[in-house]
Amino acid sequence: GAGVSQSPSNKVTEKGKDVELRCDPISGHTALYWYRQSLGQGLEFLIYFQGNSAPDKSGLPSDRFSAERTGGSVSTLTIQRTQQEDSAVYLCASSLARIYEQYFGPGTRLTVT
Amino acid sequence: GQNIDQPTEMTATEGAIVQINCTYQTSGFNGLFWYQQHAGEAPTFLSYNVLDGLEEKGRFSSFLSRSKGYSYLLLKELQMKDSASYLCAVRGDSNYQLIWGAGTKLIIKP
Repeated sequence: GAGVSQSPSNKVTEKGKDVELRCDPISGHTALYWYRQSLGQGLEFLIYFQGNSAPDKSGLPSDRFSAERTGGSVSTLTIQRTQQEDSAVYLCASSLARIYEQYFGPGTRLTVT
Repeated sequence: GQNIDQPTEMTATEGAIVQINCTYQTSGFNGLFWYQQHAGEAPTFLSYNVLDGLEEKGRFSSFLSRSKGYSYLLLKELQMKDSASYLCAVRGDSNYQLIWGAGTKLIIKP
């Protein structure tokens, strides 16, 4: 079946603009994660959704970052008033349930100029 | 604090064997994952260890010692396509949040 998809694959934006990144998880996967990966670095956890439970937002770096997941499926990560330090690859992953391995999407490369 | 350590970079020869080590210090332990990430691509799942010992899966094996906070990924019969970064991740106290190492870049030479 289809894997995790993300859009756009690349986004270049000017400092101060808002951006929206989209993630379509694997059908039937109840857990969804957002990560950020800077060049040569490990994955930085941002936010976790599990079913209809309240999301774990503990990894969001500032209040400029927010995310939602509609209908337990598609998720959108929004970054307001982007800064240059927001430039990174944003990865979305889903898993069948919280204890299982995560399957990653191809990522969105965000460049803030 | 919580910490995952891996070598930054390793070089090996096609056809040989390489061992990539990972040491961790976390509050709690609920499993260790290895992922492969080719340049410019997303990580893909390789293996999962939650009990001590060796898990073998084709050319790849992963070992865990919980008492030592130590794991390794063993790659046999190396192929050029194995050139990638290998990420170690530990599930600590949380049932879902993984703590990720920075990854080991493996370079395979002919």
